[in-house]
Amino acid sequence: QVKLQQSGAELVKPGASVKLSCKTSGYTFSTSYMSWFKQIPGQSIEWIGMIYAGDGGTGYNQKFKGKATLTVDTSSSTAYMDLSSLTTEDSAVYFCARITTVPYWYFDFWGPGTMVTVSS
Amino acid sequence: DIQMTQSPSSLPASLGERVTISCRASQGISNNLNWYQQKPDGTIKPLIYYTSNLQSGVPSRFSGSGSGTDYSLTISSLEPEDFAMYYCQQDASFPPTFGGGTKLELK
Repeated sequence: QVKLQQSGAELVKPGASVKLSCKTSGYTFSTSYMSWFKQIPGQSIEWIGMIYAGDGGTGYNQKFKGKATLTVDTSSSTAYMDLSSLTTEDSAVYFCARITTVPYWYFDFWGPGTMVTVSS
Repeated sequence: DIQMTQSPSSLPASLGERVTISCRASQGISNNLNWYQQKPDGTIKPLIYYTSNLQSGVPSRFSGSGSGTDYSLTISSLEPEDFAMYYCQQDASFPPTFGGGTKLELK
């Protein structure tokens, strides 16, 4: 069965960077799409961007360009998101989710989320 | 970006009750509307895709409808596990955007 396992909670200092991971299993990762999302506790969900594992092609929400960088490692079926120059406004839960394209594009499997806390 | 407005933001309801959550887009989205459920532990799963298609494994008490700018999610008879947050999401225009959420609470 499809599973998305995300890395553990992070406590980072302002100005630092953090790399989150999303390890997948149960499907063919190398020909799939993955998206990442931000959710501040008590608020709605924001789409950060997406990556196609086949060629590493990416698409970003303009709001997160320069903040987030998406990559994949097909040898380990893992997606990554780098968040740079962190501020307290980046404190949130970050989710990865697979994009299904058949019969329609939507986010069909989600990871449990990774809490990132930015604090000095 | 397309703005998605959900109503109500909070919905107290009883077991067995029929409830409807509404979602309005700031412009027409041609049925490119999905619904997600988020449990208190943070777990998110899809319920409905492309307005009215039930995700595999989702109970048939969930249904979706709508067109143009106005969409809705209906739960025909509430079960204990249905008390959660619900989000609509549009996929008609880049970037995908979500509604503000509806918290379905036990009355």
